[in-house]
Amino acid sequence: DADVTQTPRNRITKTGKRIMLECSQTKGHDRMYWYRQDPGLGLRLIYYSFDVKDINKGEISDGYSVSRQAQAKFSLSLESAIPNQTALYFCATKAANTGGASGGYTFGSGTRLTVV
Amino acid sequence: DQQVKQNSPSLSVQEGRISILNCDYTNSMFDYFLWYKKYPAEGPTFLISISSIKDKNEDGRFTVFLNKSAKHLSLHIVPSQPGDSAVYFCAASARNEKLTFGTGTRLTIIP
Repeated sequence: DADVTQTPRNRITKTGKRIMLECSQTKGHDRMYWYRQDPGLGLRLIYYSFDVKDINKGEISDGYSVSRQAQAKFSLSLESAIPNQTALYFCATKAANTGGASGGYTFGSGTRLTVV
Repeated sequence: DQQVKQNSPSLSVQEGRISILNCDYTNSMFDYFLWYKKYPAEGPTFLISISSIKDKNEDGRFTVFLNKSAKHLSLHIVPSQPGDSAVYFCAASARNEKLTFGTGTRLTIIP
């Protein structure tokens, strides 16, 4: 099984619908992150969490919310999906005690979301 | 405001030659710089990193160079192999917190 599992892998949804993307990890890492990837824009940070009670906005949090249900689970919600939220979404984890130079981040395989 | 920039969206290199991928940054608080490699339908995977106190780090065929005064880093791959064809992202972090990514460069190795 993958260390970081994202579900679903692909999803098509209609404008205005609520959708939740889920991420679970078996790494035992404290820190979890949600990024979105758009062509020509790279990966941009949506939300991140340093532990269950610590949730922080990233650079593009508008239109999104998150829930850290447990150390191993971090879900991303789009309350009312819009077409410009069509993107590839990645969850990542990192242990708090690993240095920045170690890389340290483990990414899931991504969720491709299309809002029509 | 793009704090980490990769100005070349794509690069094609002959197999066996050197691939050089470039990255510029604007935030002087960044203290670690990392390169990630991404294949289609997969998440990014860590490739190599460098601390801001160094100017070079080498790992096999991969070398990263950092020029702090120019706020510029580069990734050298030599010799380039077909399996190196992927999208490469430059990333930076400050105080071991979140990663800020560049826009990516698609590297194609021509057999």
